[in-house]
Amino acid sequence: LAKTTQPISMDSYEGQEVNITCSHNNIATNDYITWYQQFPSQGPRFIIQGYKTKVTNEVASLFIPADRKSSTLSLPRVSLSDTAVYYCLVVISSGSARQLTFGSGTQLTVLP
Amino acid sequence: DVKVTQSSRYLVKRTGEKVFLECVQDMDHENMFWYRQDPGLGLRLIYFSYDVKMKEKGDIPEGYSVSREKKERFSLILESASTNQTSMYLCASSTPLGLEDTDTQYFGPGTRLTVL
Repeated sequence: LAKTTQPISMDSYEGQEVNITCSHNNIATNDYITWYQQFPSQGPRFIIQGYKTKVTNEVASLFIPADRKSSTLSLPRVSLSDTAVYYCLVVISSGSARQLTFGSGTQLTVLP
Repeated sequence: DVKVTQSSRYLVKRTGEKVFLECVQDMDHENMFWYRQDPGLGLRLIYFSYDVKMKEKGDIPEGYSVSREKKERFSLILESASTNQTSMYLCASSTPLGLEDTDTQYFGPGTRLTVL
């Protein structure tokens, strides 16, 4: 089954907008895309979830194009405390097989 | 708030020992999961359970077994620990939408297991 792909790392400065993209070519038709944030020595924490188009909550936006082969997590005006690893989670389907798949994670470092 | 707790934050065991990792959630969630997390590999699913006494293999079940005797508790068992099982182990639970919906998972703090 195909895996999800994320950039390994990204750097940004405080106050900037950060966009992290996850590619998932074989995403299951009716399943959601979910993003998590993880700080060192903690379990991942839910950020946002969406199925298509755009979803926005108090901390982030999620953009999903019509073909759903990728998704982009957008963090507006990042601060130092946003330094963390960000994971996308999708269900990948191939024939009758279904696989719950996390991306390998993107280490975001926010600089002062 | 959902709370998922794991029995130990740090654990050191010797090769060949039997290891039990316990996970408890307090939100009456049907689904529970065990992952391992390794540098560069992200989170990989070991086993999951969608009901008491039910279990399904994930991506990397070899060398592991699980037990779900009560709804709130999901145990991961390493029958004979090996050095390549040194890792961070994360437990999660989710609302009863089923695996197909990629429902929101709530994670515990993790157990860092070292096998010598």
